[in-house]
Amino acid sequence: DIQMTQSPSSLSASVGDRVTITCRASQSISSYLNWYQQKPGKAPKLLIYAASSLQSGVPSRFSGSGSGTDFTLTISSLQPEDFATYYCQQSYSTPRITFGQGTRLEIK
Amino acid sequence: EVQLVESGGGLVQPGGSLRLSCAASGFTFSSYWMHWVRQAPGKGLVWVSRINSDGSSTSYADSVKGRFTISRDNAKNTLYLQMNSLRAEDTAVYYCVLGTGRWLQLDYWGQGTLVTVSS
Repeated sequence: DIQMTQSPSSLSASVGDRVTITCRASQSISSYLNWYQQKPGKAPKLLIYAASSLQSGVPSRFSGSGSGTDFTLTISSLQPEDFATYYCQQSYSTPRITFGQGTRLEIK
Repeated sequence: EVQLVESGGGLVQPGGSLRLSCAASGFTFSSYWMHWVRQAPGKGLVWVSRINSDGSSTSYADSVKGRFTISRDNAKNTLYLQMNSLRAEDTAVYYCVLGTGRWLQLDYWGQGTLVTVSS
């Protein structure tokens, strides 16, 4: 299976900060990389698909970039509702999709 | 509006069985692959299984292969996960998930149902 590694595992930041989360695949996955946000007790929500395409309804402060093995999720100006856990997920080796271990974004 | 509503979770003893259901609405259920994804308490997301649109093709994570069976009834717009020989490590919230795009992103998630395997 393709392994997905996120960094950092946790991150403290303030409202208004610019934040970047990194995801690395164990082999090339082209642009088959998706990002999700999960809040406590809730199901994950799709933010970014195909590495850089913004899901409908997601604020434009979220952006994604990368291809091959290295990807980033950027939040340009953190809002209070953005404090959550973020997961990357590869869909290259479908159906055996895999997720990163998650990045917990906390309020500083 | 797409809705996915899971049911069937609960407490079961090790070695026992449970069947999860997912009632789908708001889209043409018979046209899409469906997935089950699980999340152990305090842990990350793990893909469990998927089934193609007509039910003729299924895949499983190694950790559940031979114990879990995914199926669907397109006439009833319902997805199932039959779980046998349950282990403590199967304890998790199980999500029913729909992926609609060509990039196989997981667009829509149910609210999840908790399965607890414990004596």
